[in-house]
Amino acid sequence: EAGVTQSPTHLIKTRGQQATLRCSPISGHTSVYWYQQALGLGLQFLLWYDEGEERNRGNFPPRFSGRQFPNYSSELNVNALELEDSALYLCASSSGRLEGYTFGSGTRLTVV
Amino acid sequence: GQQLNQSPQSMFIQEGEDVSMNCTSSSIFNTWLWYKQDPGEGPVLLIALYKAGELTSNGRLTAQFGITRKDSFLNISASIPSDVGIYFCAGRNAGGTSYGKLTFGQGTILTVHP
Repeated sequence: EAGVTQSPTHLIKTRGQQATLRCSPISGHTSVYWYQQALGLGLQFLLWYDEGEERNRGNFPPRFSGRQFPNYSSELNVNALELEDSALYLCASSSGRLEGYTFGSGTRLTVV
Repeated sequence: GQQLNQSPQSMFIQEGEDVSMNCTSSSIFNTWLWYKQDPGEGPVLLIALYKAGELTSNGRLTAQFGITRKDSFLNISASIPSDVGIYFCAGRNAGGTSYGKLTFGQGTILTVHP
């Protein structure tokens, strides 16, 4: 069974640009979660999508947005990139909100 | 908002030693989870705890869900070099603004000397 896959693995953008990160959940998982892991810090909750709807979002500005497609894959968009957006962005999926997550390997975003 | 305090921040131990780390919370959780993250990878679930007082083992790992529902610990017995990594606790509430999300601790960096 394929795990959670994220693309690209690395992304370099300049300040002010937009970044798009992609995630494919484990087959059969309907929930997708996005987390930001800045260097030296723990994981900060960004967004939760389930059945195509945004169910919850963390304490991040509106320029962090995303969506979930009918096949349950998801996209995270970060507009007007700032230097402090540089981080590892992790996607996770689960089959239900009471289950543990399975994480992907992440996308390393660097803003220069 | 919810906060998890995880300690210690880092540990340097000899191969074969036992390891203990814990998390405490300012609020009650319904679920406690422990993850391990290797360099360049996403966190991997080690143990999930769903009931206060629950003690669960996974090989050399043992974790407990505190009776107060505000804390959890993870023990690793007879450490080996491949135990090296960052260990995270995570807690979840069922509802309110915490709906569906996990709150993570800051992590414990474990180094094992052969």
